[in-house]
Amino acid sequence: EAGVAQSPRYKIIEKRQSVAFWCNPISGHATLYWYQQILGQGPKLLIQFQNNGVVDDSQLPKDRFSAERLKGVDSTLKIQPAKLEDSAVYLCASEPRGPSYEQYFGPGTRLTVT
Amino acid sequence: GDSVTQMEGPVTLSEEAFLTINCTYTATGYPSLFWYVQYPGEGLQLLLKATKADDKGSNKGFEATYRKETTSFHLEKGSVQVSDSAVYFCALRTPVDTGRRALTFGSGTRLQVQP
Repeated sequence: EAGVAQSPRYKIIEKRQSVAFWCNPISGHATLYWYQQILGQGPKLLIQFQNNGVVDDSQLPKDRFSAERLKGVDSTLKIQPAKLEDSAVYLCASEPRGPSYEQYFGPGTRLTVT
Repeated sequence: GDSVTQMEGPVTLSEEAFLTINCTYTATGYPSLFWYVQYPGEGLQLLLKATKADDKGSNKGFEATYRKETTSFHLEKGSVQVSDSAVYFCALRTPVDTGRRALTFGSGTRLQVQP
């Protein structure tokens, strides 16, 4: 079974530029998460999708971050415009239907904003 | 809100030493508790879990017991190996009717095992 795929793996941009990250979850997984992991901290939720609907985006900075999950499969996270404090690893995770207790994480995209 | 507190690292041990990484939590209701591990260059992986009080999660020689009375979920291993060198994250999830299932993570503890 293929794991969660993310791209790109690394991205360097200047502040005020825009950037997009892509995630392909494990096939059949209904729930998809985007987490932000700042260096030295644990991951923090940005947004949770159930199929193609948003369940929780309470911690997403909506003035600059947006995310979508068209057709309930792949997802894209965008930042526009980026700030220095957005430098972090962006993790995508997916979870199967039913009473699962495991989230499967992708390798992450490391973003550096200069 | 929910929170997880882990001991700060790095924790440096010699091979075959005993490991304890402390984790305490604050949560409403009765959370499920997890330990995730991140090996160098790899993504987060579930190491073990416990879903109710007094449950013991175990995997790969690691154990943790869900202690409701002390709100703790300490990770232990009797004899560490160099291959256990990684960052370990304690996490919780509180069941809610809205379907929110995101994990709340601690800040992570880096373990370095020397031969």
